[in-house]
Formats: sequence, C-alpha cells, structure tokens
Amino acid sequence: SQQGEEDPQALSIQEGENATMNCSYKTSINNLQWYRQNSGRGLVHLILIRSNEREKHSGRLRVTLDTSKKSSSLLITASRAADTASYFCATDKTGTYKYIFGTGTRLKVLA
Amino acid sequence: NAGVTQTPKFQVLKTGQSMTLQCAQDMNHEYMSWYRQDPGMGLRLIHYSVGAGITDQGEVPNGYNVSRSTTEDFPLRLLSAAPSQTSVYFCASSPRGLAGGRTDTQYFGPGTRLTVL
Repeated sequence: SQQGEEDPQALSIQEGENATMNCSYKTSINNLQWYRQNSGRGLVHLILIRSNEREKHSGRLRVTLDTSKKSSSLLITASRAADTASYFCATDKTGTYKYIFGTGTRLKVLA
Repeated sequence: NAGVTQTPKFQVLKTGQSMTLQCAQDMNHEYMSWYRQDPGMGLRLIHYSVGAGITDQGEVPNGYNVSRSTTEDFPLRLLSAAPSQTSVYFCASSPRGLAGGRTDTQYFGPGTRLTVL
C-alpha cells in the first residue's frame, strides 16, 4: 500500500497564484521529500524536511511537516506556467531503507 | 558527471521474453533503487540496494531480479515478461547507505519505457 497520499489529485490555478498540495503518510519517518515530474520525464528533487523539522523554505517553495498528524504540505508561491508538473511526496519509514511515493498532485498553471 | 543513466530508453518485448534494464551512476552513491510508474500513479519501489553486494525487496518485487556487483551499476532483470509489467521504469541513486551519508536526496534517471505485448 502507498505510504503517501497526496491531495488534491489535480489542481488548476492562474499564474501568480499560490498552489498548496498536501501529503499524508502512515508510519513514523526519517524524512519527507517532495519531487517534481514534468510530463514523461524523470523526477527532480525539490526539498527534503527531516522528522525533527517543522518548516523549511527554498526559493518559492515552503514545506511544513506535522508528525503528530502524519502530514506535510507544499506551498508554491507566485506560480509560473513552468511550474506545471506533477508533484510527489516521498517518505522513508523509520528503520528501513525503503522510499515510498505518494500518488501525486497534477498542477496546471494557466498563463 | 553524467548522473544516473538508464538504457534502453524504449523497449518492446513479447510475453515470456527476458531482458535486463541497465542503470549506472557516477556519483559514488551507495544507495540505488528501481521503481515502476504506471499511468496516473506514483512510483512503486521494486528493489533497492544499500551498497555493493546488498539488495532487498521493495513493494512490488515479483517478476524482477537485481544484483549489485559494483557501486556504479544496478541492473534490473525481468525474468519472463508479462503484459502487467508494461510500465515506465526509473532508477535512482542516493548518497545514503549503510556507511552513512545523510543527504537522502534521490537522483533519478530519465526512465525506460517498457511495453510487453
């Protein structure tokens, strides 16, 4: 079964708006990562947040982690057409070397 | 650095055929893994390795074999291809392994698109 589940499955916004997507997982983790995948391409790592961190920023990205709720959110501010992609969260379960990916959020940014 | 490379990019097989998907990385990463991605879905872990000579199963290992004789290479072998194995296959590597390395970021190859008829 999938460790991570993203919500919403699809999101369509106007350029300049903020995009928020959420990830829920099931077990204790070492860290949570967010990846972007452009259509038909490989995944690109965006940001990693460790289990003892609550918030992290990287450019226009802001990630939060709530380990009590087993959830994370990714905020993309001032979105651009180039942000159109699928976004996946991935977790590695404590005590294992297995990375488990969620089902993804398909983001479409309209120019 | 070339990063993570995968060959071939595309492959068509007939049911029952076997083949090997190649994956190589030149970053001296200990951790390597194989995923499959089916349409509209996330990635599912097939097998992974935390260092040369050490492999283990992921979520969906049935029908696949791996070996890790060197740090650089992590081939994925399909034993007897089935239509259910039609998918896009991604290889990834990470500094994280048994000897340490806490970055945990995974670097992905471009993928192999496999069709089994």
